[in-house]
Order: sequence, then C-alpha cells, then structure tokens
Amino acid sequence: QVQLVESGGGVVQPGTSLRLACAASGFTFSSKGMHWVRQAPGKGLEWVAAIWNDGNKKRYGESVKGRITISRDNSKNTVYVQMNSLTLEDTGVYYCARDGGLGVEDIDYWGQGTLVIVSS
Amino acid sequence: QIVLTQSPTASAPLGASVKLTCTLSSGHSRFAIAWHQQPPEKGPRYLMKLKSDGSHTKGDGIPDRFSGSSSGSERYLTISSLQSEDEAVYYCQTWGTDVEVFGGGTKLTVL
Repeated sequence: QVQLVESGGGVVQPGTSLRLACAASGFTFSSKGMHWVRQAPGKGLEWVAAIWNDGNKKRYGESVKGRITISRDNSKNTVYVQMNSLTLEDTGVYYCARDGGLGVEDIDYWGQGTLVIVSS
Repeated sequence: QIVLTQSPTASAPLGASVKLTCTLSSGHSRFAIAWHQQPPEKGPRYLMKLKSDGSHTKGDGIPDRFSGSSSGSERYLTISSLQSEDEAVYYCQTWGTDVEVFGGGTKLTVL
C-alpha cells in the first residue's frame, strides 16, 4: 500500500533553515508528482509546493515563493523541501502528498505530517 | 484565480444524511475537484475525485456511504447513514495551471 513518511520537523529559530524529507513506498515513485501542503495551528490546508514526476518542473504557493525549494531523488523514492528564512508564520504541520498524475492534479494520498515550530 | 468556497460548519444527526457543498469561482465551473476528510487531531484522507459531470472515483477503502455529485459550479459530498467517526473537517481541492487550491473546509458535527 502507498506510504508517505515525513521527517525533519522540529523547533527552530526565526531566520534559520530547515529541510524536510518524505520517504515514499508502495507505488512507482517516478511516475507521480509530489506535493508539500502545510497547516498552521487551527487553520486550513495550504498548498506549498509541487514537483513533477521527473523533477524537471516545480511550482510554489505565493506565500512561500523565493524561500522554499522542492526537490526529489527518484533513486531514493524521496521528496524534500528546503525552507529558508523561516518566520513565525511558517509554524505548522507539513504534509507530504502524492499527486494523482504527473504533476498538479488531485492529491490522492497523504502522509501523517511533521510538525515545524518556529520560535525564539 | 481559482477560489473554492465552503460553508464553515454543518451538522446532522447520527444515522441521517448530510450534503456538503463546494462552490467553484466564476469561470471555473467545468473544473474537477477532490474531497478530503480530516478527523480531529489527524492528517487528511483522500475521499474522491469528482468531475463536473458528477462522475467520481473514490479512494482506497472509502465506504459506499460517501458519494459525490455536481451541478454547475457546485460540487457536493453526500454522506449517508452518518456515524460518529464521520465528524471531521471536509476540504475540497482543485487544480489549475501549475497551482493547487484548497477550500476553507467545512467542520461537520454529528449530533
């Protein structure tokens, strides 16, 4: 069965960087687009970034453009998100999610999430 | 710009049926959407992909009690024979050219 397992969350100070990882299994990783979606405490879901199946195309949500980079290693079945210049507003649970197609379509599987707390 | 509008709250008695609505912004009435369920203190779960013609494809293990339908710019999620575990926030999601969009979510309370 499809499994997405995030790691790398934790408590960090404002202005610092953090890299999250998501290990995928149970499907042909290189044939699916992947996403990061976040959820601030008590708030709704916010799309952060997407990467196409072959890694050649990436897109970002407006609120994180310029500060976040999504990448993937198809040989390791892993997708990453590098977050720089973190602010208090970046606090939340970060979910890895699988796209139903090659890039941006319906999200059809979710990970359990990893918590990022930005605090001084 | 694609916008998805959902009512913030809904409620229905145990065993009853409820119909949740997601409205697509003007100019986007032909778009497909997906429905996701997020129980309290848990991660989201994919329920189904719903097209403008009302056809839908459900995710793995989603009970028959969950169904989708469409009318114009509105997309619906109907849950029949409500159970206590259906109490959750339900999000709709759609996608455009290189962008994903989520609705604000509807918190469903089972009375």
